[in-house]
Amino acid sequence: GQQLNQSPQSMFIQEGEDVSMNCTSSSIFNTWLWYKQDPGEGPVLLIALYKAGELTSNGRLTAQFGITRKDSFLNISASIPSDVGIYFCAGYNQAGTALIFGKGTTLSVSS
Amino acid sequence: GAVVSQHPSRVICKSGTSVKIECRSLDFQATTMFWYRQFPKKSLMLMATSNEGSKATYEQGVEKDKFLINHASLTLSTLTVTSAHPEDSSFYICSASGRTYNEQFFGPGTRLTVL
Repeated sequence: GQQLNQSPQSMFIQEGEDVSMNCTSSSIFNTWLWYKQDPGEGPVLLIALYKAGELTSNGRLTAQFGITRKDSFLNISASIPSDVGIYFCAGYNQAGTALIFGKGTTLSVSS
Repeated sequence: GAVVSQHPSRVICKSGTSVKIECRSLDFQATTMFWYRQFPKKSLMLMATSNEGSKATYEQGVEKDKFLINHASLTLSTLTVTSAHPEDSSFYICSASGRTYNEQFFGPGTRLTVL
């Protein structure tokens, strides 16, 4: 079935550094979503991408929908301590009825 | 907008009892609600999808008689874990989508601990 391969699994960075994480798949996705999950909370939608090649920003976050529709990346610029959490990429299954999640990237930021 | 709540946020129960978790969309009509399960440091695993007024569609490997889902209104879905056992302990998260929003919005999750 469809799978999303997310990397890296975890990152340890210093405050102020930029971060990049990505998701790839052998299948085509028509939508790419990036979520952040804080400990003990549900995921919160950060950025939604709907068109191949689309580049979208949300504050210090930037995400791109790959031209092949098989990949996406998320960049965080000038990281701050509250960026700590787990970041998930997600895409809809072929039927468009359910989300498939990547395994997540755990981000740790030291001040 | 697009706020989804869950109740309770935490529940501890004895083995063999049943537990009901509520998921509500507070400011939009959720035509579809989803229930996920998440193990520590793992991704979200979709358990079932429910559309208002119809039976839930369960993912492969999820026991429908154990995890009863009801979606009786456009703002409420419930998940009942029947005859809970310690291996049912997990973080259960619901999400909702509707006519207004194409994306899924997630609730804050419910931590279930079965003793």
